[in-house]
Amino acid sequence: GAVVSQHPSWVICKSGTSVKIECRSLDFQATTMFWYRQFPKQSLMLMATSNEGSKATYEQGVEKDKFLINHASLTLSTLTVTSAHPEDSSFYICSARARGGGQPQHFGDGTRLSIL
Amino acid sequence: GQNIDQPTEMTATEGAIVQINCTYQTSGFNGLFWYQQHAGEAPTFLSYNVLDGLEEKGRFSSFLSRSKGYSYLLLKELQMKDSASYLCAVRDNQAGTALIFGKGTTLSVSS
Repeated sequence: GAVVSQHPSWVICKSGTSVKIECRSLDFQATTMFWYRQFPKQSLMLMATSNEGSKATYEQGVEKDKFLINHASLTLSTLTVTSAHPEDSSFYICSARARGGGQPQHFGDGTRLSIL
Repeated sequence: GQNIDQPTEMTATEGAIVQINCTYQTSGFNGLFWYQQHAGEAPTFLSYNVLDGLEEKGRFSSFLSRSKGYSYLLLKELQMKDSASYLCAVRDNQAGTALIFGKGTTLSVSS
């Protein structure tokens, strides 16, 4: 089945650090990738939609200058959390979808980000 | 906008059948998905409905009624490993191609 790889799994770093998270579709081409954030015991909240070769579309309330998204190829999207602060600590999950109307989104394993 | 409702928690015993309901309100409905998420892990895809009716996949079945804005996930012959959060998600044409998720139903299966 479709596999999405997300790296790293865990990040612990100091406040003010920038953190880059990679999301790769391993066995299919993903023209669109999605970035979600999930706080404990809450739902997945869509942050942005990443389109290959174009600018990402951010959801209302998500700062595009703080959460930089680059979708450089059909198999790779990156999310960079710039100047991270403790309130940015969360579970970040990427997902990718192949072409086709009924295709589900397949999720990476997520990145647990802890800012001290 | 979109609104997706599902119960917060449910409990059941091994071997039983449980039905998790989901109601939704969207502007441009284009499919409903169910995902399973174990604690600390990413969601895994369970089922997809875009037309009315029942889709069966082994121990899991999902039903959709578009006129009622209603779906359910049916789990049969429950096992301990089925203890997880079950997420109802809707694709809305008005919201692009991303899935919009409900808050999830935490299912606890006991022996």
